[in-house]
Amino acid sequence: DVKVTQSSRYLVKRTGEKVFLECVQDMDHENMFWYRQDPGLGLRLIYFSYDVKMKEKGDIPEGYSVSREKKERFSLILESASTNQTSMYLCASRNYGYTFGSGTRLTVV
Amino acid sequence: QQQVKQSPQSLIVQKGGISIINCAYENTAFDYFPWYQQFPGKGPALLIAIRPDVSEKKEGRFTISFNKSAKQFSLHIMDSQPGDSATYFCAASISGGSNYKLTFGKGTLLTVNP
Repeated sequence: DVKVTQSSRYLVKRTGEKVFLECVQDMDHENMFWYRQDPGLGLRLIYFSYDVKMKEKGDIPEGYSVSREKKERFSLILESASTNQTSMYLCASRNYGYTFGSGTRLTVV
Repeated sequence: QQQVKQSPQSLIVQKGGISIINCAYENTAFDYFPWYQQFPGKGPALLIAIRPDVSEKKEGRFTISFNKSAKQFSLHIMDSQPGDSATYFCAASISGGSNYKLTFGKGTLLTVNP
């Protein structure tokens, strides 16, 4: 089975900090995605990548950036964390269907 | 613009009953419609998916019904069990190309009472 691993289950960060969320997949998939999940809003796409060093903005990219230096790793970066970025962040990789990680619950205080 | 509208937001069903969740889409270019199931503390997992060349797909107790003219699709869970209690998301995408990004509905919290 494809495994998508997110490095942290829970994170608490202070407003203004630079935050890195890491995601690793083990199946050589080209496509990787970052979503945030908020109650009542579903999953909203932040950024995605279809190859190493390639990235595209999703629906809500403001305040975020990404890095994909190696095929298996896709990082989400919050340049200056704000309280409205408190959320559950989900990484996914895709071959035929999406495989999601277990999520990182980020709290910005 | 919400491209995939999902209803209801929450649903309570008795054990053995039928759970029905509906989705409507706007973009006629969508040609792949999956449903995801998410348990607390876990990421969403693919449950079942359909393409618009068929009107129905069944896998065990789970069935997708698809109405292309109405731009609607629904998930039916037959003989619902307490273990089916989860959040369900419909989604849609345009296949082909290298992007293949999914647009999700807002989710339905299903509770199956014993």
